[in-house]
Amino acid sequence: NAGVTQTPKFQVLKTGQSMTLQCAQDMNHNSMYWYRQDPGMGLRLIYYSASEGTTDKGEVPNGYNVSRLNKREFSLRLESAAPSQTSVYFCASSDYRPYGYTFGSGTRLTVV
Amino acid sequence: ELKVEQNPLFLSMQEGKNYTIYCNYSTTSDRLYWYRQDPGKSLESLFVLLSNGAVKQEGRLMASLDTKARLSTLHITAAVHDLSATYFCAVDQGAQKLVFGQGTRLTINP
Repeated sequence: NAGVTQTPKFQVLKTGQSMTLQCAQDMNHNSMYWYRQDPGMGLRLIYYSASEGTTDKGEVPNGYNVSRLNKREFSLRLESAAPSQTSVYFCASSDYRPYGYTFGSGTRLTVV
Repeated sequence: ELKVEQNPLFLSMQEGKNYTIYCNYSTTSDRLYWYRQDPGKSLESLFVLLSNGAVKQEGRLMASLDTKARLSTLHITAAVHDLSATYFCAVDQGAQKLVFGQGTRLTINP
């Protein structure tokens, strides 16, 4: 039972390059989320998807786009990476029961 | 806008001692979560608190929720080195969107 799988685990980008972070869950959860984690700031919500076919902005959506490809997959795209996007990115999923999130292992992204 | 604040942000303590981490939040919610994160790792769920007065315990950790005071506490009893980690509280702002506190980095020294 894999849970939430994120790829890649590490990535270095040059300013202006684009990339897509992939996330897949095998728990049949309806909701999926992308957070970024920066030192001293906890985790901040970038985008979320309450169900297949829907996406909504979170607290810090600028510079990002998302796609809920199907119920299992939720990708995060950086169209033109900036050094301010250097962070650790976590994908998470949940169902409607109040058990909180299941997190992926994270992607450590550095933009130089 | 929901804000979640933890204190302290850094805590260094000796093995065997007791201490409490506080989590305050700014707007009404009846769902609060505690997570643990080890360095370089993902977040692991510790407790789910769903109602006023809820108390959960697992080993040396005990969490409680006071929705009227908008306060949750994570109490550590007789700390051991293995509990060294960063602890986050998170509050549900609706539709299962969680707002996280800044995290408390706990270091337990022999």
